[in-house]
Amino acid sequence: DSGVTQTPKHLITATGQRVTLRCSPRSGDLSVYWYQQSLDQGLQFLIHYYNGEERAKGNILERFSAQQFPDLHSELNLSSLELGDSALYFCASSSEAAWAEAFFGQGTRLTVV
Amino acid sequence: TQLLEQSPQFLSIQEGENLTVYCNSSSVFSSLQWYRQEPGEGPVLLVTVVTGGEVKKLKRLTFQFGDARKDSSLHITAAQPGDTGLYLCAGSHRDNYGQNFVFGPGTRLSVLP
Repeated sequence: DSGVTQTPKHLITATGQRVTLRCSPRSGDLSVYWYQQSLDQGLQFLIHYYNGEERAKGNILERFSAQQFPDLHSELNLSSLELGDSALYFCASSSEAAWAEAFFGQGTRLTVV
Repeated sequence: TQLLEQSPQFLSIQEGENLTVYCNSSSVFSSLQWYRQEPGEGPVLLVTVVTGGEVKKLKRLTFQFGDARKDSSLHITAAQPGDTGLYLCAGSHRDNYGQNFVFGPGTRLSVLP
């Protein structure tokens, strides 16, 4: 158990809809990272939040947004969903230690039909 | 932009064989992590290497960090079907915006019984 919790584990929705994925980081970690992983692909970095502030953006579509709340949990919002958005979405958290490591949640499998 | 390359992309071997996978970059990282990911699950941290030239062993797995902290290798001795999975390397560094992780595309290993 990595200590990172993601909900829901599975999500099936129709094209054009909007969904929210939730992530609770490990206790004490201030950084949350979101990644997208399409079938048999590597991890695509989406966005990084640190203590409520956006720190870095990767290849995140304009239809996607995220935020980190005062209790440090984070949400990834995906709107106007398309078939190609079907993927595994992972969040990871890390501390700010010099050689901090990223710890991943179990992911949310999103299926857009 | 920092990039990590991994080779080979795919590897299929028989149980009992040895193998080495590589992770290379033109950038220097403060540390490097190796993860294993099984289908539908989140990546699980195997090891972090920090010092150039460092070698770490985890049972049948041997990890090495290059002297210049730009590359790493993972050697598996006497592979078992349980070693099957996607092996990801990640380089980490800090900048003014916090801890950053750069992931390689992964090596997909299949160990046949």
